[in-house]
Amino acid sequence: AQSVTQLGSHVSVSEGALVLLRCNYSSSVPPYLFWYVQYPNQGLQLLLKYTTGATLVKGINGFEAEFKKSETSFHLTKPSAHMSDAAEYFCAVSALSNTGGFKTIFGAGTRLFVKA
Amino acid sequence: GAGVSQSPRYKVAKRGQDVALRCDPISGHVSLFWYQQALGQGPEFLTYFQNEAQLDKSGLPSDRFFAERPEGSVSTLKIQRTQQEDSAVYLCASSRDRLNTEAFFGQGTRLTVV
Repeated sequence: AQSVTQLGSHVSVSEGALVLLRCNYSSSVPPYLFWYVQYPNQGLQLLLKYTTGATLVKGINGFEAEFKKSETSFHLTKPSAHMSDAAEYFCAVSALSNTGGFKTIFGAGTRLFVKA
Repeated sequence: GAGVSQSPRYKVAKRGQDVALRCDPISGHVSLFWYQQALGQGPEFLTYFQNEAQLDKSGLPSDRFFAERPEGSVSTLKIQRTQQEDSAVYLCASSRDRLNTEAFFGQGTRLTVV
């Protein structure tokens, strides 16, 4: 079975500062890892994903994340925060389940606040 | 269609009423998921279809919840005898393949049970 832990339900940064949102996962099989963003009253939008290959993945809006197997982590970063980055961010893991399908499990989310 | 479509967007139900929530996935997508998202929480897995086969329903909270996808495209999530704790946003997502390398989400149906 897989699970996701997002450290910090709320993160506040100043505009222009580094954004770091933490995610740790557990999975008994090689996972696929995702970050999604959710704006108020909207569905989830994929920011980036790791499936195989290069462990540093780049996504939309200047975000990137690094898969570190030894640390079971997939932290999300952005060098310089923008006011428009204020939203809820979800880390997710997808892995083959014992029922034969790939089941995607989400973390509880981290709300990012950006101060002017 | 261009994206995943869910209807209705908002539903108010009296306690004890049955409701049906519809999801139209992206045409041709093999995998379809239902999630329940309570206020301030992450999406909680409910059930998963690969084509018309319901491969996993381990997340359905009780036998009042039932989902189907009879022809492998449109899916319906039915909740019988709704209770206040069923109030949440119900999200549907679809993915092109069984590996779910990218899931596309609808905007959700906000269910309020009064």
